[in-house]
Amino acid sequence: DVKVTQSSRYLVKRTGEKVFLECVQDMDHENMFWYRQDPGLGLRLIYFSYDVKMKEKGDIPEGYSVSREKKERFSLILESASTNQTSMYLCASSFTGAARREQYFGPGTRLTVT
Amino acid sequence: DAKTTQPPSMDCAEGRAANLPCNHSTISGNEYVYWYRQIHSQGPQYIIHGLKNNETNEMASLIITEDRKSSTLILPHATLRDTAVYYCIVRVGSQGAQKLVFGQGTRLTINP
Repeated sequence: DVKVTQSSRYLVKRTGEKVFLECVQDMDHENMFWYRQDPGLGLRLIYFSYDVKMKEKGDIPEGYSVSREKKERFSLILESASTNQTSMYLCASSFTGAARREQYFGPGTRLTVT
Repeated sequence: DAKTTQPPSMDCAEGRAANLPCNHSTISGNEYVYWYRQIHSQGPQYIIHGLKNNETNEMASLIITEDRKSSTLILPHATLRDTAVYYCIVRVGSQGAQKLVFGQGTRLTINP
């Protein structure tokens, strides 16, 4: 079974703190994604990576950065957390091949910034 | 990506087949139909996908009409654990990483 794990299920941070969210996948997937999910807004893509050290901005990259030093690990960094970054953060991974592009998601990290 | 239309909610009795419809009348020839579901407070879970042939796996069956303008996800023997929001998505099958765009989905409730 594909497994995508995220470092925390629940996280509470203060405004201005630097926050690291870690994601690890064990299926040798090339692509990895970070989304946030908010009520009424659905899933929104923050950043994605299609290879080690490669990254692309998604729809809402402002206030976030990412790091992919190893194929299995994709980190999301909130440089200076703000209350509007309170959200559910979801990591996903997928193969690149046309017939196998389904994305597998981690359990999510519910981040609260106070 | 083509737009999809799903009913906002459905109910089904435990042990019966749950049939979830999806309209995608503007689908183009290179777009696949994907289904995901999200159980409350968990990450979305991939269920199944298809291009034009019907597909079946251990979780569900996907029936795509011949004109590809609609599809139905079938959970053959629904259990209480199948209560979730189900999302139908159509996506181009091209190379490279692609984001998922979830609509509102169908909230399926399985009743005992």
